[in-house]
Amino acid sequence: EVQLVESGGGLVQPGGSLKLSCAASGFSFSGSAMHWVRQASGKGLEWVGHIRSKANSYATAYGASVKGRFTISRDDSKKTAYLQMNSLKTEDTAVYYCTSPLASGNGDYWGQGTLVTVSS
Amino acid sequence: EIVLTQSPGTLSLSPGERATLSCRASQSVSSNYLAWYQQKPGQTPRLLIYGASSRATGIPDRFSGSGSGTDFTLTISRLEAEDFAVYYCQQYGSSPRAFGGGTKVEMK
Repeated sequence: EVQLVESGGGLVQPGGSLKLSCAASGFSFSGSAMHWVRQASGKGLEWVGHIRSKANSYATAYGASVKGRFTISRDDSKKTAYLQMNSLKTEDTAVYYCTSPLASGNGDYWGQGTLVTVSS
Repeated sequence: EIVLTQSPGTLSLSPGERATLSCRASQSVSSNYLAWYQQKPGQTPRLLIYGASSRATGIPDRFSGSGSGTDFTLTISRLEAEDFAVYYCQQYGSSPRAFGGGTKVEMK
């Protein structure tokens, strides 16, 4: 059974930092790209960024609103992806999902999400 | 950076009716790498269509995608009760992989 389990969410003050984790099981993690997507309460989906596999040089890309503040990394030995979030703003408050597309494109896996609240 | 604009914002229809959702890109989507997702309250998004027109595994054939370049359409041929939800398009031909703002399909 495929599982993506996010953790690390919580309450943080503006300007603070938080690191999310996404633990994967049941599929070929090392060969898969890992994405982060967020959704503020009652709002739409926002792509945060991704990290590609070792075969693709662990290339990363980010959405404009988080570029320079957020960093995505991975540890293939632990089958875990990470989202380091720095200089957090109130508008970063959202549920953060990790997701991984199938190489064939005809499906993808999603975690259940972890809530990040940025508030003083 | 490609911006995706979905219309209409809300579609009010009855079961059995046809739904036509639009997704327009600010520039051409590379290789027509355009996906459609369905999201119901309290659930994670579900991939419906990839590559603009290919149905994902297990998706009923009442869902179809079409279009190319900058204009894409999701059609639900006959709405069923479980189809009332929010639908998002996403381009994955270039980074950043933006989502559209969503179209809510609600029961009339």
